[in-house]
Amino acid sequence: EGVVTQSPGTLSLSPGERATLSCRASQSVGDNFLNWYQQKRGQAPRLLIYGAYKRATGVPDRFSGSGSGTDFTLTISRLEPEDFAVYYCQQFGRSSLFTFGPGTKVEIK
Amino acid sequence: EVQLVQSGVEVKKPGESLKISCQASGYTFSTYWIGWVRQMPGKGLEWMGIVYPGDSQTRYNPSFQGQVTLSADKSISTAYLQWDTLKASDSAMYYCARRNTGSSWDYFDLWGQGTLVTVSS
Repeated sequence: EGVVTQSPGTLSLSPGERATLSCRASQSVGDNFLNWYQQKRGQAPRLLIYGAYKRATGVPDRFSGSGSGTDFTLTISRLEPEDFAVYYCQQFGRSSLFTFGPGTKVEIK
Repeated sequence: EVQLVQSGVEVKKPGESLKISCQASGYTFSTYWIGWVRQMPGKGLEWMGIVYPGDSQTRYNPSFQGQVTLSADKSISTAYLQWDTLKASDSAMYYCARRNTGSSWDYFDLWGQGTLVTVSS
Protein backbone atom coordinates (compact mmCIF):
# COMPACT_ATOMS: atom_id res chain seq x y z
CA GLU A 1 0.00 0.00 0.00
CA GLY A 2 1.22 3.52 -0.71
CA VAL A 3 3.02 3.57 -4.06
CA VAL A 4 1.20 4.92 -7.08
CA THR A 5 2.59 5.31 -10.59
CA GLN A 6 1.10 7.08 -13.60
CA SER A 7 1.78 6.79 -17.30
CA PRO A 8 2.63 8.38 -19.54
CA GLY A 9 4.40 11.28 -17.91
CA THR A 10 3.33 13.57 -20.74
CA LEU A 11 0.63 13.09 -23.36
CA SER A 12 0.75 15.32 -26.45
CA LEU A 13 -2.61 15.46 -28.19
CA SER A 14 -4.76 17.80 -30.27
CA PRO A 15 -8.16 19.19 -29.30
CA GLY A 16 -10.88 16.72 -30.22
CA GLU A 17 -8.66 13.68 -29.67
CA ARG A 18 -9.16 11.02 -27.03
CA ALA A 19 -6.87 10.93 -24.00
CA THR A 20 -6.18 7.78 -22.01
CA LEU A 21 -4.29 8.13 -18.75
CA SER A 22 -3.16 5.21 -16.64
CA CYS A 23 -2.67 4.84 -12.90
CA ARG A 24 -1.23 1.79 -11.18
CA ALA A 25 -1.15 1.06 -7.46
CA SER A 26 1.46 -1.21 -5.90
CA GLN A 27 -1.26 -3.15 -4.08
CA SER A 28 -4.94 -3.63 -4.69
CA VAL A 29 -7.00 -0.54 -3.90
CA GLY A 30 -9.83 -1.72 -1.68
CA ASP A 31 -13.38 -0.70 -2.53
CA ASN A 32 -12.03 1.33 -5.41
CA PHE A 33 -10.70 4.14 -3.23
CA LEU A 34 -9.09 5.71 -6.26
CA ASN A 35 -9.61 9.32 -7.23
CA TRP A 36 -8.55 11.61 -10.04
CA TYR A 37 -7.79 15.32 -9.83
CA GLN A 38 -7.14 17.94 -12.48
CA GLN A 39 -4.74 20.81 -11.92
CA LYS A 40 -4.50 23.66 -14.36
CA ARG A 41 -1.47 25.93 -14.37
CA GLY A 42 -1.56 28.33 -11.44
CA GLN A 43 -4.68 26.79 -9.93
CA ALA A 44 -5.54 24.48 -7.08
CA PRO A 45 -6.36 20.85 -7.88
CA ARG A 46 -9.97 19.98 -8.61
CA LEU A 47 -11.66 16.66 -7.95
CA LEU A 48 -12.76 14.96 -11.17
CA ILE A 49 -13.46 11.32 -10.39
CA TYR A 50 -13.90 9.48 -7.08
CA GLY A 51 -14.41 5.84 -6.29
CA ALA A 52 -12.66 4.96 -9.56
CA TYR A 53 -15.55 5.91 -11.86
CA LYS A 54 -17.93 8.40 -10.20
CA ARG A 55 -17.84 11.90 -11.64
CA ALA A 56 -17.70 14.76 -9.16
CA THR A 57 -20.34 17.46 -9.26
CA GLY A 58 -20.13 19.58 -12.36
CA VAL A 59 -17.60 17.42 -14.20
CA PRO A 60 -18.46 17.04 -17.88
CA ASP A 61 -19.37 13.55 -19.11
CA ARG A 62 -16.43 13.48 -21.51
CA PHE A 63 -14.41 12.52 -18.41
CA SER A 64 -14.74 8.90 -17.34
CA GLY A 65 -12.91 6.63 -14.96
CA SER A 66 -12.56 2.88 -14.98
CA GLY A 67 -10.56 0.05 -13.51
CA SER A 68 -10.25 -1.92 -10.31
CA GLY A 69 -7.67 -3.63 -8.18
CA THR A 70 -4.35 -2.10 -9.12
CA ASP A 71 -5.00 -0.67 -12.59
CA PHE A 72 -7.13 2.37 -13.28
CA THR A 73 -7.77 4.61 -16.27
CA LEU A 74 -8.99 8.15 -16.79
CA THR A 75 -10.38 8.76 -20.25
CA ILE A 76 -11.20 12.10 -21.81
CA SER A 77 -13.32 11.25 -24.80
CA ARG A 78 -12.73 14.43 -26.81
CA LEU A 79 -10.25 16.97 -25.56
CA GLU A 80 -11.47 20.51 -25.16
CA PRO A 81 -8.98 23.41 -24.93
CA GLU A 82 -9.65 23.73 -21.18
CA ASP A 83 -8.69 20.08 -20.57
CA PHE A 84 -4.98 20.62 -21.14
CA ALA A 85 -3.66 20.30 -17.60
CA VAL A 86 -1.95 17.91 -15.21
CA TYR A 87 -3.93 14.95 -13.90
CA TYR A 88 -3.18 13.16 -10.66
CA CYS A 89 -4.55 9.92 -9.41
CA GLN A 90 -4.72 9.38 -5.67
CA GLN A 91 -5.39 6.26 -3.66
CA PHE A 92 -6.70 5.94 -0.16
CA GLY A 93 -5.35 3.17 2.03
CA ARG A 94 -6.18 2.30 5.63
CA SER A 95 -2.58 2.58 6.80
CA SER A 96 -0.92 4.94 4.33
CA LEU A 97 -4.03 7.08 3.94
CA PHE A 98 -3.53 9.36 0.93
CA THR A 99 -0.97 8.76 -1.81
CA PHE A 100 -0.83 10.80 -4.99
CA GLY A 101 0.65 9.60 -8.22
CA PRO A 102 3.34 11.74 -9.92
CA GLY A 103 0.88 13.12 -12.45
CA THR A 104 0.33 13.04 -16.21
CA LYS A 105 0.61 16.27 -18.14
CA VAL A 106 -1.77 16.54 -21.08
CA GLU A 107 -0.31 19.10 -23.47
CA ILE A 108 -1.34 20.51 -26.81
CA LYS A 109 0.41 18.84 -29.72
CA GLU B 1 -20.83 29.74 -0.76
CA VAL B 2 -18.94 26.62 0.24
CA GLN B 3 -15.25 27.49 0.20
CA LEU B 4 -11.85 27.33 1.84
CA VAL B 5 -9.89 30.55 1.90
CA GLN B 6 -6.20 30.41 2.75
CA SER B 7 -3.92 33.05 4.16
CA GLY B 8 -1.62 35.01 1.88
CA VAL B 9 1.90 34.72 0.56
CA GLU B 10 4.65 34.31 3.15
CA VAL B 11 8.34 35.17 2.81
CA LYS B 12 10.42 33.99 5.75
CA LYS B 13 14.02 33.33 6.71
CA PRO B 14 15.45 29.93 7.64
CA GLY B 15 14.98 29.24 11.33
CA GLU B 16 11.85 31.34 11.64
CA SER B 17 8.46 29.98 12.63
CA LEU B 18 5.26 30.20 10.61
CA LYS B 19 1.59 29.40 10.92
CA ILE B 20 -0.67 29.53 7.86
CA SER B 21 -4.43 29.28 7.91
CA CYS B 22 -7.39 27.90 6.03
CA GLN B 23 -10.82 29.34 6.81
CA ALA B 24 -13.93 27.41 5.88
CA SER B 25 -17.36 28.76 5.12
CA GLY B 26 -20.69 27.45 3.85
CA TYR B 27 -20.63 24.09 5.61
CA THR B 28 -20.31 22.60 9.10
CA PHE B 29 -16.57 22.89 9.62
CA SER B 30 -16.37 20.61 12.64
CA THR B 31 -17.72 17.55 10.82
CA TYR B 32 -15.17 17.28 8.00
CA TRP B 33 -11.47 16.48 8.18
CA ILE B 34 -9.15 19.07 6.65
CA GLY B 35 -6.08 17.86 4.79
CA TRP B 36 -2.90 19.69 3.85
CA VAL B 37 -1.03 19.08 0.62
CA ARG B 38 2.42 20.33 -0.36
CA GLN B 39 3.44 21.13 -3.90
CA MET B 40 7.08 22.03 -4.36
CA PRO B 41 7.97 24.19 -7.38
CA GLY B 42 7.36 22.28 -10.58
CA LYS B 43 6.53 19.09 -8.71
CA GLY B 44 3.53 16.95 -7.81
CA LEU B 45 1.16 16.76 -4.88
CA GLU B 46 2.21 15.34 -1.50
CA TRP B 47 -0.24 14.66 1.28
CA MET B 48 1.08 16.00 4.59
CA GLY B 49 -1.62 15.22 7.12
CA ILE B 50 -5.19 15.69 8.21
CA VAL B 51 -6.92 17.28 11.18
CA TYR B 52 -10.46 16.77 12.44
CA PRO B 53 -11.79 20.08 13.75
CA GLY B 54 -14.47 18.40 15.86
CA ASP B 55 -11.95 17.00 18.34
CA SER B 56 -8.56 18.09 16.91
CA GLN B 57 -7.51 14.53 16.02
CA THR B 58 -4.58 14.49 13.64
CA ARG B 59 -2.92 11.98 11.38
CA TYR B 60 0.36 12.64 9.61
CA ASN B 61 2.18 11.33 6.60
CA PRO B 62 5.29 9.80 8.20
CA SER B 63 7.41 11.97 5.90
CA PHE B 64 6.05 15.07 7.62
CA GLN B 65 5.59 13.78 11.17
CA GLY B 66 7.57 15.98 13.56
CA GLN B 67 8.25 18.54 10.85
CA VAL B 68 4.91 20.34 10.99
CA THR B 69 1.94 20.67 13.32
CA LEU B 70 -1.69 20.66 12.26
CA SER B 71 -4.42 22.21 14.35
CA ALA B 72 -7.90 23.65 14.06
CA ASP B 73 -10.12 26.14 15.88
CA LYS B 74 -13.72 25.19 15.28
CA SER B 75 -14.99 28.39 16.91
CA ILE B 76 -13.69 30.34 13.92
CA SER B 77 -13.85 27.53 11.32
CA THR B 78 -10.12 27.71 10.70
CA ALA B 79 -7.44 25.08 10.27
CA TYR B 80 -3.72 25.73 10.62
CA LEU B 81 -0.41 24.39 9.40
CA GLN B 82 2.56 25.37 11.52
CA TRP B 83 6.34 25.15 11.40
CA ASP B 84 8.57 25.87 14.40
CA THR B 85 11.82 26.09 12.42
CA LEU B 86 11.59 26.73 8.71
CA LYS B 87 14.12 25.44 6.21
CA ALA B 88 14.74 26.51 2.64
CA SER B 89 13.34 23.15 1.55
CA ASP B 90 9.94 24.14 3.01
CA SER B 91 9.52 26.58 0.13
CA ALA B 92 6.41 25.40 -1.67
CA MET B 93 2.74 25.98 -2.33
CA TYR B 94 0.55 24.57 0.42
CA TYR B 95 -3.07 23.66 -0.13
CA CYS B 96 -5.76 22.83 2.38
CA ALA B 97 -8.59 20.57 1.25
CA ARG B 98 -11.78 19.20 2.75
CA ARG B 99 -11.88 15.44 3.15
CA ASN B 100 -15.14 13.76 2.23
CA THR B 101 -15.19 10.25 3.62
CA GLY B 102 -17.67 7.42 3.84
CA SER B 103 -17.88 3.66 3.86
CA SER B 104 -16.79 3.33 0.23
CA TRP B 105 -15.32 6.68 -0.66
CA ASP B 106 -12.59 9.00 0.57
CA TYR B 107 -11.45 12.04 -1.36
CA PHE B 108 -10.69 15.75 -1.17
CA ASP B 109 -13.67 17.53 -2.67
CA LEU B 110 -13.04 21.19 -1.82
CA TRP B 111 -9.70 22.94 -2.08
CA GLY B 112 -8.29 26.23 -0.89
CA GLN B 113 -6.54 28.53 -3.33
CA GLY B 114 -3.11 27.75 -1.89
CA THR B 115 -0.55 29.61 0.20
CA LEU B 116 2.87 30.19 -1.29
CA VAL B 117 5.66 29.96 1.26
CA THR B 118 9.17 31.11 0.37
CA VAL B 119 12.01 30.51 2.79
CA SER B 120 15.20 32.30 1.88
CA SER B 121 18.02 34.06 3.62
